[in-house]
Amino acid sequence: DAKTTQPPSMDCAEGRAANLPCNHSTISGNEYVYWYRQIHSQGPQYIIHGLKNNETNEMASLIITEDRKSSTLILPHATLRDTAVYYCIAGIQGAQKLVFGQGTRLTINP
Amino acid sequence: KAGVTQTPRYLIKTRGQQVTLSCSPISGHRSVSWYQQTPGQGLQFLFEYFSETQRNKGNFPGRFSGRQFSNSRSEMNVSTLELGDSALYLCASSLSNKNEKLFFGSGTQLSVL
Repeated sequence: DAKTTQPPSMDCAEGRAANLPCNHSTISGNEYVYWYRQIHSQGPQYIIHGLKNNETNEMASLIITEDRKSSTLILPHATLRDTAVYYCIAGIQGAQKLVFGQGTRLTINP
Repeated sequence: KAGVTQTPRYLIKTRGQQVTLSCSPISGHRSVSWYQQTPGQGLQFLFEYFSETQRNKGNFPGRFSGRQFSNSRSEMNVSTLELGDSALYLCASSLSNKNEKLFFGSGTQLSVL
């Protein structure tokens, strides 16, 4: 599985868009980019995933660069409940074995 | 629909003992995987089960084992507990072994004294 690199921490004001970057320069052609988040004392929660096209769902948008070496998770209107550790993971489709890095600790400030 | 249920929520054991953790997946989900989370190592994959068969195993010693029953419920066992086994053990389920989304439980917090 490709290694991903994320900033250890970020801050964002409530109501603003939170943009979380992820580098995955060694990603292979059949690996997807997955995003999960973990709120304190809970298990990780799936957010979104994509291969090469941009994706959007009710939680977030995922923007993947054309060369697929990096991506950005966008939370359009961050709320205090979005405070969590966000994990960017590269893995093959359907892989149950996810390789989690240290993630980005996102703090939403009032 | 109920989420992934893990029992017990908290557990305290002493070194040398063994422990069994239980996981009930979301109804209809047939794939279950287990992860260990510690402050130092983060989230690490333990093993994955589908249709009662272990399909994948992480880099953990043989003291860590698991199984899956015909109703997809899963258990993991750790024998001869060590202090370093203190961790949050998370179970995740998915519809099949080809499904992208993993649904995690809240975990079992194991403390080894």
